[in-house]
Amino acid sequence: DIQMTQSPSSVSASVGDRVTITCRASQGISSWLAWYQQKPGKAPKLLIYAASSLQSGVPSRFSGSGSGTDFTLTISSLQSEDFATYYCQQANSFPLTFGGGTKVEIK
Amino acid sequence: QVQLQESGPGLVKPSQTLSLTCTVSGGSISSGSYYWSWIRQPAGKGLEWIGRIYASGNTNYNPSLKSRVTISVDTSKNQFSLKLSSVTAADTAVYYCARDIGTVVDPWGQGTLVTVSS
Repeated sequence: DIQMTQSPSSVSASVGDRVTITCRASQGISSWLAWYQQKPGKAPKLLIYAASSLQSGVPSRFSGSGSGTDFTLTISSLQSEDFATYYCQQANSFPLTFGGGTKVEIK
Repeated sequence: QVQLQESGPGLVKPSQTLSLTCTVSGGSISSGSYYWSWIRQPAGKGLEWIGRIYASGNTNYNPSLKSRVTISVDTSKNQFSLKLSSVTAADTAVYYCARDIGTVVDPWGQGTLVTVSS
């Protein structure tokens, strides 16, 4: 299985801050990477697919980059509704695997 | 807009079989090049992909669960189902069904908590 490692596991930030989350794959996955946002008690919501493509309806303050083994999710100006846990997911090979999550908390 | 809803028992005894059904609305389970997936999340932990099925019945399973998992589809009811046998406390989790386009999983159902306990 491809292991997905996210860092940091948690980050404290204020509204308006720029937040960057990284995801590293244990082997190359080209651009087969997605990012999801999950709020407490809710299902994950797709934010980014193909490493850098913004899902329809997702605010443009979210962006993704990377290819191969190293990827980043950036929130350019954190809003109150962005406090949540973020997961990366690889789709290069079976089984699909997810990172351990990064919790974005209020500072 | 496609919506998914999980249903099934919230409590299962150890060694028994967990059975869940996902009902798809707002679109046909047979239309488009979609798979239909099951994913689970133990409390406070990360996401684990269980497996998926195509409308034709073709399946892919996570090797870590393959010996215990069966996913099936009923196109006449626009539903797909999960069976997980020989459950233990480690199988306690929120179980999600979702549409899978091969690279991403979207949308997801709201999730259903299944507790394994005697």
